[in-house]
Amino acid sequence: KNQVEQSPQSLIILEGKNCTLQCNYTVSPFSNLRWYKQDTGRGPVSLTIMTFSENTKSNGRYTATLDADTKQSSLHITASQLSDSASYICVVSAEGSYDKVIFGPGTSLSVIP
Amino acid sequence: NAGVTQTPKFRILKIGQSMTLQCAQDMNHNYMYWYRQDPGMGLKLIYYSVGAGITDKGEVPNGYNVSRSTTEDFPLRLELAAPSQTSVYFCASSYMAGGTEAFFGQGTRLTVV
Repeated sequence: KNQVEQSPQSLIILEGKNCTLQCNYTVSPFSNLRWYKQDTGRGPVSLTIMTFSENTKSNGRYTATLDADTKQSSLHITASQLSDSASYICVVSAEGSYDKVIFGPGTSLSVIP
Repeated sequence: NAGVTQTPKFRILKIGQSMTLQCAQDMNHNYMYWYRQDPGMGLKLIYYSVGAGITDKGEVPNGYNVSRSTTEDFPLRLELAAPSQTSVYFCASSYMAGGTEAFFGQGTRLTVV
């Protein structure tokens, strides 16, 4: 069964600190993995995308890693800011399918001053 | 550039009532999607469309209908609303299928009482 799991479910960190969010998946055959940021009351917005051959991708203070062998990804946020408070969703796509895009449940991150 | 526009933002329905959630995109995307997001769960695909006049069921289509008469518009129809349809609904569009970046609307929060 195609599944995407994320941990932790929620996280509270102090402004300026770093944090790492985890994503495990069982989607097959794997096509790509994307991290989305969803602010409260808004739709998700794409942060990064990685294909099978990529194992690191950065977008400013966000760095995503992918280990296709263990089917794990992480999103590292450096020097967190209050505006990073959001839900971070891991999304994995299967090859050759219009509709096999599996969304994880998200990690809710709160950055406090 | 408006992107993906959803209306209304909020709605309360009584059991058995019907309504249409509107979605419009101005990016000339062929692919459009409707998702629902329930607390603690990943987004679930309700219906999708690969172009004007072509629609197909996603993972959770029961109780919903869609149409795609133009490239821009993809309305979602709820017939005989039930409490189980209380959720946040997101419309999205993408240039290509599957794992390409999807652009989301701001969502419609629907409560059925």
